[in-house]
Amino acid sequence: QVTLKESGPVLVKPTETLTLTCTVSGFSLSNARMGVSWIRQPPGKALEWLAHIFSNDEKSYSTSLKSRLTISKDTSKSQVVLTMTNMDPVDTATYYCARIVRASGYVSDYWGQGTLVTVSS
Amino acid sequence: QSALTQPASVSGSPGQSITISCTGTSSDVGSYNLVSWYQQHPGKAPKLMIYEGSKRPSGVSNRFSGSKSGNTASLTISGLQAEDEADYYCCSYAGSSTPYVVFGGGTKLTVL
Repeated sequence: QVTLKESGPVLVKPTETLTLTCTVSGFSLSNARMGVSWIRQPPGKALEWLAHIFSNDEKSYSTSLKSRLTISKDTSKSQVVLTMTNMDPVDTATYYCARIVRASGYVSDYWGQGTLVTVSS
Repeated sequence: QSALTQPASVSGSPGQSITISCTGTSSDVGSYNLVSWYQQHPGKAPKLMIYEGSKRPSGVSNRFSGSKSGNTASLTISGLQAEDEADYYCCSYAGSSTPYVVFGGGTKLTVL
């Protein structure tokens, strides 16, 4: 059974750095066919892809947020970590991690429950 | 890369069929048969309903079907049921360089 679970702070202050952890089970981060994406959704708005990482440490970032994002993984812990620097109230959103399948066009076939992050002083 | 274009809302009565469109460009939807569709109920995570344009994951009702013509992909739901009321998002592969995938703006389906 594939599961993903996001964890991290629910509240961050403007200018702070956000660190989110995605803990996965039911598949291995060493599986070459699969990776993990981070996707966010501001309240009442659409989904926005942020970044992804694969077993060979291949990474990619949203063009608009690239300077603020870092994605990494710890295969032994089955965890993927996303950091976002210089947080702003517009970054308030539910942040999801999802398993992606490369051969199917990077489709997100399993999602975590999401974690709501509010940026406020 | 711009977001894919979806209608903001669609509606239908129980038992009817509806279609949600998803318009992209020749760089994404038009170039690959790799569109996926997600259903999202309020307060819940998105759920994969269609992938690779027309394939259904195990457990997804065959009332959901996907297709594509040119730069536009479509999701059709037949035999509408109350539980189908949700937001629906399309997503397309956009090539082997960032952003790799692009999402649509979402469509609110109301079952009357």
